[in-house]
Amino acid sequence: AQKVTQAQTEISVVEKEDVTLDCVYETRDTTYYLFWYKQPPSGELVFLIRRNSFDEQNEISGRYSWNFQKSTSSFNFTITASQVVDSAVYFCALSGRNSGYSTLTFGKGTMLLVSP
Amino acid sequence: DAGVTQSPTHLIKTRGQQVTLRCSPISGHKSVSWYQQVLGQGPQFIFQYYEKEERGRGNFPDRFSARQFPNYSSELNVNALLLGDSALYLCASSADPLTSGGPGGSGNTIYFGEGSWLTVV
Repeated sequence: AQKVTQAQTEISVVEKEDVTLDCVYETRDTTYYLFWYKQPPSGELVFLIRRNSFDEQNEISGRYSWNFQKSTSSFNFTITASQVVDSAVYFCALSGRNSGYSTLTFGKGTMLLVSP
Repeated sequence: DAGVTQSPTHLIKTRGQQVTLRCSPISGHKSVSWYQQVLGQGPQFIFQYYEKEERGRGNFPDRFSARQFPNYSSELNVNALLLGDSALYLCASSADPLTSGGPGGSGNTIYFGEGSWLTVV
């Protein structure tokens, strides 16, 4: 069975602070994909990144960076110099295979509150 | 280009009623999946369709059904609504379902719509 754990339920920071959102996953698949999505109050899940299990290179995109460590089954997300607009719920997700098709297994999400 | 569009945005239904939710995927995308997100939880997989065929189904009762049309749009139907069906229903669109092709297998980005907020009273 697939499982994604986001241990941090809620994080509060002040603008310009750096913040790291943790994600730990469990899977028996040798090939899998990891995702991060941002969910503002409107409800839409906004795609942030997809990472292939065979690519452990860390990635940076502007103020966002991701640290994928297969040895610890973690895929952490860091926001540098946080801004109020970063306030949202962030979900880590894992793609799994079930008899020929794939689904996303989500963590429970981490609510990030960035205050001015 | 239009993203994933869902309708209606919000709706209120009474217990026992039936509801139909609609989704139009991104142009060129042939796969549509449906997820249910209850308050405070992550989305849970309900169905996946690809090329108009059901590819997979999550752990949901038979009251939930779906279909995909020739233009790849999709409908999710829920019969005999219960209070516990109150949730945000999200539609996801992708070019192809992620496959089990090994290291060289295809994988693609999954995009979500804004969802349909269903309240059952």
